[in-house]
Amino acid sequence: DIVMTQSPDSLAVSLGERATINCKSSQSVLYSSNNKNYLAWYQQKPGQPPKLLIYWASTRESGVPDRFSGSGSGTDFTLTISSLQAEDVAVYYCQQYYSTPLFTFGPGTKVDIK
Amino acid sequence: QVQLQESGPGLVKPSQTLSLTCTVSGGSISSGGYYWSWIRQHPGKGLEWIGYIYYSGSTYYNPSLKSRVTISVDTSKNQFSLKLSSVTAADTAVYYCATWEVSSGAFDYWGQGTLVTVSS
Repeated sequence: DIVMTQSPDSLAVSLGERATINCKSSQSVLYSSNNKNYLAWYQQKPGQPPKLLIYWASTRESGVPDRFSGSGSGTDFTLTISSLQAEDVAVYYCQQYYSTPLFTFGPGTKVDIK
Repeated sequence: QVQLQESGPGLVKPSQTLSLTCTVSGGSISSGGYYWSWIRQHPGKGLEWIGYIYYSGSTYYNPSLKSRVTISVDTSKNQFSLKLSSVTAADTAVYYCATWEVSSGAFDYWGQGTLVTVSS
């Protein structure tokens, strides 16, 4: 199985400041045949289901604000919130689909307001 | 826009079978391009993929649950279902149905989730 880890477990950022979440996979999720990273990011607010933010590591889902961006390749990835808003308080998960259909998620990173 | 809604008992006794149904609206389960999925989240914990089904009936399950899981589809009702047998307290979780989109490779539509508690 591909194991996903995230860091930090939680972080608190001031409104308007940058939040950076890291995700690492136990093996590369980059498919050499199409040069795509099989990684997605989700946001989960309390009492709600996860919401897809980013897929192919850096493609923003339709309707997702452009303050959210994804980067990285191979085994190391980053989700950046460029200017944290109050509505961004949530837990963020990364997920790999390189080993489709055996999908695995990271443990989550909680983002709060400082 | 596709909408998903889980339904089923919120309380199941140990050793019994957990049964949930996901009703799809705003789109046809037979339209292709999606795999119809079940994912669960233990209280306060992360996400675990259980399995998915294509409208044709092809299924794929998480090996860790495979011996106890059955996912089926009813295209006439635009529904798909989950059965998890021989449940224990460790199966207490919020169960989500979701769509896995082939083109993005991600889970793009989710139901609101339903809490299933395993207890006598």
